Amino acid sequence: GENVEQHPSTLSVQEGDSAVIKCTYSDSASNYFPWYKQELGKRPQLIIDIRSNVGEKKDQRIAVTLNKTAKHFSLHITETQPEDSAVYFCAASRAGSNDYKLSFGAGTTVTVRA
Amino acid sequence: EAGVAQSPRYKIIEKRQSVAFWCNPISGHATLYWYQQILGQGPKLLIQFQNNGVVDDSQLPKDRFSAERLKGVDSTLKIQPAKLEDSAVYLCASSRTGTRETQYFGPGTRLLVL
Repeated sequence: GENVEQHPSTLSVQEGDSAVIKCTYSDSASNYFPWYKQELGKRPQLIIDIRSNVGEKKDQRIAVTLNKTAKHFSLHITETQPEDSAVYFCAASRAGSNDYKLSFGAGTTVTVRA
Repeated sequence: EAGVAQSPRYKIIEKRQSVAFWCNPISGHATLYWYQQILGQGPKLLIQFQNNGVVDDSQLPKDRFSAERLKGVDSTLKIQPAKLEDSAVYLCASSRTGTRETQYFGPGTRLLVL
């Protein structure tokens, strides 16, 4: 099955700086890579996703990059703000197949210092 | 659109007792997932339904866990008997079928087994 590894497990950044979270996956057939943000005690919420036919996707201060050859993808948050403090999870799946379950990384706790 | 609903939000039981969780997915979503999220870890898929059929239950501890989705809408997840290690948040998620893979999560049920 798919194995997703996520680094770092914790990340502390100064407000206004950038934050980068990296994930690697093992299944070369995976083609859909979402990122979820989970605030303390709340549900995971999709913040951005990328499919294997593109290398980069941006949405305001958030961007995701994908390197299919190396089987890794990254989340970039620029100009961090206190409300960006949360746990971020990456995931991978074989979208469009019968086996499209999401495999999640262990999560990164991001703390933005004011 | 209304989100995924779950109940109860919190449950405290003693080991060897039984417990049941309920989920109502987003209207029109044919695929429903149950995840177990242990503190400090990413969600782990327990079971996936497509309408009222099971697509994947390979990670469901079938000796104590069961789930059903009789009419292809609401679903229940049951644990009997519960063990200490079942303490976790149980998340329900749903998605449309076909090309839509985005999973929307419910608020979760936080279970504590004493």
